[in-house]
Amino acid sequence: EADIYQTPRYLVIGTGKKITLECSQTMGHDKMYWYQQDPGMELHLIHYSYGVNSTEKGDLSSESTVSRIRTEHFPLTLESARPSHTSQYLCASSELRQGRPYEQYFGPGTRLTVT
Amino acid sequence: QKEVEQNSGPLSVPEGAIASLNCTYSDRVSQSFFWYRQYSGKSPELIMSIYSNGDKEDGRFTAQLNKASQYVSLLIRDSQPSDSATYLCAARARGSTLGRLYFGRGTQLTVWP
Repeated sequence: EADIYQTPRYLVIGTGKKITLECSQTMGHDKMYWYQQDPGMELHLIHYSYGVNSTEKGDLSSESTVSRIRTEHFPLTLESARPSHTSQYLCASSELRQGRPYEQYFGPGTRLTVT
Repeated sequence: QKEVEQNSGPLSVPEGAIASLNCTYSDRVSQSFFWYRQYSGKSPELIMSIYSNGDKEDGRFTAQLNKASQYVSLLIRDSQPSDSATYLCAARARGSTLGRLYFGRGTQLTVWP
């Protein structure tokens, strides 16, 4: 089973604030991902990482940034929150494992509301 | 064509019936496919993965992959009200060693008692 954690689970914050959403996994997976999902809508990949100090932007134009200083930790930062950032943010991780490659496991998500 | 497309539903079946969920894919994905279940307000949960042509069974779930026709399906036998959720089909991007997946929009399933 996946051991991937996200904090906070819920966040309500005012416009212009800087926020960091935390994601940690204890499985030693080398690959980690951030998705954005609005209610009833599809997942959009916003950032991914294939190892320490290796990150890439995804499909969705995002004003967020990420870092990967440790294998287990992949935080996402919004320098200046806006109401358009209101969404659910999902973190996932995977590894190339013999017999079960690229299975992604998701954390519980952070529901962000920017007022 | 999008990389992964699902019949959007919603799909409604009675308890005990077989629910059939379908997904088609483009040439931009590889032969690694996944089905996730997502309850309302929750995160996706991996329920099946399939990598080779044919059927793969796990309990009440059967995943089917047909490479010639480029579709993958999920059958849920003896459907239960607790199976009511959105089911997401996903596939690995072709050539991606980074494990990048493309997700469909999901099919909402309701199982009524």
